[in-house]
Amino acid sequence: GNSVTQMEGPVTLSEEAFLTINCTYTATGYPSLFWYVQYPGEGLQLLLKATKADDKGSNKGFEATYRKETTSFHLEKGSVQVSDSAVYFCALNGAGSYQLTFGKGTKLSVIP
Amino acid sequence: DAGVIQSPRHEVTEMGQEVTLRCKPISGHDYLFWYRQTMMRGLELLIYFNNNVPIDDSGMPEDRFSAKMPNASFSTLKIQPSEPRDSAVYFCAAGSGDRNEQFFGPGTRLTVL
Repeated sequence: GNSVTQMEGPVTLSEEAFLTINCTYTATGYPSLFWYVQYPGEGLQLLLKATKADDKGSNKGFEATYRKETTSFHLEKGSVQVSDSAVYFCALNGAGSYQLTFGKGTKLSVIP
Repeated sequence: DAGVIQSPRHEVTEMGQEVTLRCKPISGHDYLFWYRQTMMRGLELLIYFNNNVPIDDSGMPEDRFSAKMPNASFSTLKIQPSEPRDSAVYFCAAGSGDRNEQFFGPGTRLTVL
């Protein structure tokens, strides 16, 4: 079946530091890949997505590139802010599927 | 559009009681998903509907859980009887035929004592 593995947190960074959160996946066919973000006390929000190999999703300074050869979709941001503190989830839906498979989530704390 | 609306936002109940969680999805979105989030198990898909019809309920943990969608603007998730291990945050999410995004509600935090 499908699965998503992302780096365990928590991750604590200073403001303006570089962020990488690793995500790898297992799926048959050609899944679509997503990063969702969950701020404290809220539901998940889509941060970015990529639907085919070599696509780069980007939003709010975050980027992730769909790497089929390494089955990865790592999240990066060049300079984090305190307001980026949240839990980040990597997810996929398999070809022909409407179900999302989520990773366990990575909690990011950014300190001033 | 107000987005996905869930009620109540918080529910505290005693073991053995019936609990009903409610969801009003986004108009025009024909998929509705119920998830459960816990520290131990992360996010789990419980059930999802398409055009008000349940498509996959394989994630429903046991017969104590049931879900209905009587019309396109309302869904319920019921637990009867509730147990302490059901304590979690329950999310409802809406999606459309463009399956590349789901819109989540704010969640209901359930505590079963």
